Amino acid sequence: DAGITQSPRHKVTETGTPVTLRCHQTENHRYMYWYRQDPGHGLRLIHYSYGVKDTDKGEVSDGYSVSRSKTEDFLLTLESATSSQTSVYFCAISESPGQRIDGETQYFGPGTRLLVL
Amino acid sequence: KQEVTQIPAALSVPEGENLVLNCSFTDSAIYNLQWFRQDPGKGLTSLLLIQSSQREQTSGRLNASLDKSSGRSTLYIAASQPGDSATYLCAVGIIQGAQKLVFGQGTRLTINP
Repeated sequence: DAGITQSPRHKVTETGTPVTLRCHQTENHRYMYWYRQDPGHGLRLIHYSYGVKDTDKGEVSDGYSVSRSKTEDFLLTLESATSSQTSVYFCAISESPGQRIDGETQYFGPGTRLLVL
Repeated sequence: KQEVTQIPAALSVPEGENLVLNCSFTDSAIYNLQWFRQDPGKGLTSLLLIQSSQREQTSGRLNASLDKSSGRSTLYIAASQPGDSATYLCAVGIIQGAQKLVFGQGTRLTINP
């Protein structure tokens, strides 16, 4: 299994509070991704990073920000949590597309269950 | 916009049967296609990745095929076992700055002993 951990694994918070989720990898992979998984919508990309300090938006980025100050850590921040952000959040990593076939496989962490009351 | 569909949403079969899971996508301009398995309350486990130039990939009892022109992929599971029970997700890889995955909503598979 790819060395990916997510913290916390479960969190309950109140509307309007800031929340930060952490993804940590030990694989030294260049790319890191944040997805959310919701019934009826499947997994959707929130933000991704293609290197330290290099990030970009995904499909559902409104209300979220990210930061990557080290190769191994990718943080997802909900500046002011809303009930619509209740979800399961997954982090994923991959090497660089095009360098080798296995490098394109995305490996997923165990997920963080977030409940916003 | 790329859309990925998996039908059926749920499937229940007896142990030992061979089965096929279906995935369709709307835009044939894909970079690759990846099949995942997800157990309840768990993360995703990568099963197979097919490059856009490939027709199929095999791993043990699993075989995934890709037909870009028709926008379809299938995951064939041979000699199914109760341990194969899980949700199977298909994801199309596209290049927009980085390789991004567009997921289907999955097929929930139950193998009955």
